Amino acid sequence: ETGVTQSPTHLIKTRGQQVTLRCSSQSGHNTVSWYQQALGQGPQFIFQYYREEENGRGNFPPRFSGLQFPNYSSELNVNALELDDSALYLCASSMDRRQNTIYFGEGSWLTVV
Amino acid sequence: KNQVEQSPQSLIILEGKNCTLQCNYTVSPFSNLRWYKQDTGRGPVSLTIMTFSENTKSNGRYTATLDADTKQSSLHITASQLSDSASYICVVMGGGFKTIFGAGTRLFVKA
Repeated sequence: ETGVTQSPTHLIKTRGQQVTLRCSSQSGHNTVSWYQQALGQGPQFIFQYYREEENGRGNFPPRFSGLQFPNYSSELNVNALELDDSALYLCASSMDRRQNTIYFGEGSWLTVV
Repeated sequence: KNQVEQSPQSLIILEGKNCTLQCNYTVSPFSNLRWYKQDTGRGPVSLTIMTFSENTKSNGRYTATLDADTKQSSLHITASQLSDSASYICVVMGGGFKTIFGAGTRLFVKA
């Protein structure tokens, strides 16, 4: 049990739709990162938020966007879904940007049909 | 280019045997290296974390080594158990809090 919870655990969307995934960080953690993990691949960094501001971004298009709230919970939004967006989306929280200890949630499985 | 490469891609061993997984990286500057265990469909769980000055770190039956000069790391699993069946991911943190994940080694432990 890492204290990081994600919702929903599974969902199916149609190509072109929009999706919002949610993450509740471990208490006291002000940094959250989102990752996309395709089947059989390692996680790919999407972006990181620190104290409600984006603090780094991977090689993902602008239709991937995020938010971090004052209570440090977070959202990942994906617009205009494509079939290749089907993946496990992982949220990870840490106490600070140095991420000496990172705790992952169980992920949200997104299937785009 | 910052990269983390793991080998082998997959591995099958018998219960009770030992195995060693490899990780080579080109991430620079280097901050730390971590090994994670990821069960199918679950989030990764941290096994070890090593900084530049650490050569070896153990966590139960898991022992990680780091050679910062050759930019290589290994994860040794002793007396494997069926529950060790999972993906093992090597992660390197570089400058600017950049985190690079390897693709993982898929380990299957058979009875």
